[in-house]
Amino acid sequence: AQKVTQAQTEISVVEKEDVTLDCVYETRDTTYYLFWYKQPPSGELVFLIRRNSFDEQNEISGRYSWNFQKSTSSFNFTITASQVVDSAVYFCALSFISNFGNEKLTFGTGTRLTIIP
Amino acid sequence: DAGITQSPRHKVTETGTPVTLRCHQTENHRYMYWYRQDPGHGLRLIHYSYGVKDTDKGEVSDGYSVSRSKTEDFLLTLESATSSQTSVYFCAISEDSPNTGETQYFGPGTRLLVL
Repeated sequence: AQKVTQAQTEISVVEKEDVTLDCVYETRDTTYYLFWYKQPPSGELVFLIRRNSFDEQNEISGRYSWNFQKSTSSFNFTITASQVVDSAVYFCALSFISNFGNEKLTFGTGTRLTIIP
Repeated sequence: DAGITQSPRHKVTETGTPVTLRCHQTENHRYMYWYRQDPGHGLRLIHYSYGVKDTDKGEVSDGYSVSRSKTEDFLLTLESATSSQTSVYFCAISEDSPNTGETQYFGPGTRLLVL
């Protein structure tokens, strides 16, 4: 069965510090996708990234970067020079294929990130 | 942003009453999903649809039913609401596309309180 673990329940850092959110997953599938979503205090879920299991290259998007390591089944998310607007709950998710061919997601329990001004 | 709306956005109801939540999309996406979000559990899949009139159960489907009579609408019904169904409910949509694959995009959520 698929499982996603976000061991960090809450993290607080001072603005401009770097912060890494951990995500560890379990799956027996050889093909899968990993995701990060952001849920700001307003409550909506915002898609951040989708990563194919065959692509282990790190990805950078502005202040955000993602480190995918298949050897340790981890897909960690780093925010560089954090800002108050980064305060949110962040969810890591893992896809698996349903009996009908579409992708279903298993979510971690989320990490609440607070950036202190 | 994906065109997804949920109604109502907030609802208070009493134990034992039926409740229907609506998800409406304007993206013509094939797949639609209902999740519930509870503290300490993240998001958990209730039901999903892989086409009009085609639905299947997720991991927490007990006490819920769904219907999809047309592409744009996916209804979630609590036949007889219980306090354990107090939660925030999210709808999501996806479509297999060359650029984004089957990335799921979420609606704004419905906050349900069962007294």
